[in-house]
Amino acid sequence: NAGVTQTPKFQVLKTGQSMTLQCAQDMNHEYMSWYRQDPGMGLRLIHYSVGAGITDQGEVPNGYNVSRSTTEDFPLRLLSAAPSQTSVYFCASRPPSGNIQYFGAGTRLSVL
Amino acid sequence: GENVEQHPSTLSVQEGDSAVIKCTYSDSASNYFPWYKQELGKRPQLIIDIRSNVGEKKDQRIAVTLNKTAKHFSLHITETQPEDSAVYFCAARTQGGSEKLVFGKGTKLTVNP
Repeated sequence: NAGVTQTPKFQVLKTGQSMTLQCAQDMNHEYMSWYRQDPGMGLRLIHYSVGAGITDQGEVPNGYNVSRSTTEDFPLRLLSAAPSQTSVYFCASRPPSGNIQYFGAGTRLSVL
Repeated sequence: GENVEQHPSTLSVQEGDSAVIKCTYSDSASNYFPWYKQELGKRPQLIIDIRSNVGEKKDQRIAVTLNKTAKHFSLHITETQPEDSAVYFCAARTQGGSEKLVFGKGTKLTVNP
């Protein structure tokens, strides 16, 4: 098993550009989440999904869209990037019957 | 919604000493409390967790205690080693289908040789 795979590892965007951060897991986990991590702020939940076709907002959803068409994939879309979205983004997954969240290696995003 | 406060933000100890990190939560319905360790440039990794029906849990040099009445929980690391140096995060989640895991802001632990 590869676990939770995030791509790309690094990305630089200009203000106003759009992009999609990819997240895939091969553990057949129903639950998947996106977090952003900023210095001194811990991890904050952006969006999450409890299964294919079901998504919901977390603490900081503005400026981000998600969809969940398959159990394996949970992409995060930035429609119009802003410098405030400069951060490290982590995707995580877990089975509904378990507690342990498995994190991806992260995507470091800079918006200039 | 849930709010998790974590203290201290930085902690420096001598090798072999104990380290204690404390967290408080606001939502009395929260019933799952994990602790994560994050080394520089790496992903968070679960080191220990506790459910609300348990008051204490130990795993070798690491222990977590939970006081549901006071709504606080603590991480205890004994006989600290330089490789324990990292940022530690507490978190709280209400179970029953919710995926809203709320994290504290983290504690940077430095263990000096």
